[in-house]
Parts: sequence; structure tokens; C-alpha cells
Amino acid sequence: GNSVTQMEGPVTLSEEAFLTINCTYTATGYPSLFWYVQYPGEGLQLLLKATKADDKGSNKGFEATYRKETTSFHLEKGSVQVSDSAVYFCALIGGSYIPTFGRGTSLIVHP
Amino acid sequence: EPEVTQTPSHQVTQMGQEVILRCVPISNHLYFYWYRQILGQKVEFLVSFYNNEISEKSEIFDDQFSVERPDGSNFTLKIRSTKLEDSAMYFCASSDRSRYGYTFGSGTRLTVV
Repeated sequence: GNSVTQMEGPVTLSEEAFLTINCTYTATGYPSLFWYVQYPGEGLQLLLKATKADDKGSNKGFEATYRKETTSFHLEKGSVQVSDSAVYFCALIGGSYIPTFGRGTSLIVHP
Repeated sequence: EPEVTQTPSHQVTQMGQEVILRCVPISNHLYFYWYRQILGQKVEFLVSFYNNEISEKSEIFDDQFSVERPDGSNFTLKIRSTKLEDSAMYFCASSDRSRYGYTFGSGTRLTVV
């Protein structure tokens, strides 16, 4: 079956630091890959997505590239802000159209 | 921007009691879903609903659970006899015809005591 593995958190950074949250996946076929973000007290929001190999999804300064050869979709941001503090979920959607989520990685950004 | 609305935001119930979690999906969406997230664990799929019937369900969605779309706007999840292990955050989501454009609600935190 499909699975998503994310690095464990929390990830604690100072403001303006570089962020990487690792995500690798196992799936049959060619899934679409997503990053969702959950701010405190809120629901899951789609952050970015990539639907085929070598696509780069980007939004709000975050980027992730769909790497088929390494089955990865790592999330990066060049300079994080305190307002980026949240839980980030990597997910894939395959043929069933039902997302498979990772466990989530908590990001804490200090001023 | 259209939202998926869930009520209540937090519900506390005694073990063995029935609970109904309510959701108002986005009005022109066709597919509806329930997910749950036990504290510190991954978001798990429970059930999907399309054309007034369940289209898929996970192993978690046993006979204790049921879903209903009682009118044109609400989508409910009922847990007949709650157990301690049902304590979790429950998310409703809806999606459009593409089935990739999920919009999630802010969740209902269910605490079973």
C-alpha cells in the first residue's frame, strides 16, 4: 500500500533560518504529492502540490520538488518567519483519490 | 474564500454515549470525507461519500460509525457508542469534481471520558 514517511519533529529554528522537512513515499504508479499545513487551532490547508516527476510546487516562499528517482518530496524555505510555526503534513494521492498522510512535522520558529 | 465549517469545535462525551459531528461542505463540491487524527499521530482516512452513498471506507470505519447527508448542506458523522480510543480530532473535507482539490474544515476535537 501507499505510505508517507516524514522526519520527526519538532524542528526548532531561529527566524530567517533555512528550513528543510524531509518526506519520502512509497506508492504504486505515479501519485500526486502534496504538502499541507495546520496552524494552531485550524484545519489542514493545502500549501503546495506537484502532480508529476520533476515538477516543483511553490507557495508563500515554500518549495518542494517531486523526485521520482529518490521517491522524495522535501519541503524547503529559504528564510522562515515566526508566522510559519505550524505542523506540516506530506501527503500523496494515488489512483484511489484518497490522500495518504505522513505523521506531520511540527515547526517552531523563534524570533 | 469558501470554507468547510465544522461544529462543534470541541465535544466532551462519556464513554458509551452517541455523538454526532457536523460539517457543512463547500456548496458546489461533490465528494465528502471524514478523517481523524489521534493526538501525535497521522491523519487517517475514515470514509468518503459521493452521490448520497459511501464510496470508500477504511478499516477504522466499523459498525460504530455512520455518515449521513440529511439535507442539501450538512454532512454528519455519527459514532454510536463512543470508546476512549475514539478521542481524536475529526476533520471533514470536501472536494470538487477533480477530487484533488480537497478543502478541510478546522476540525472537531472529540474527548471521550
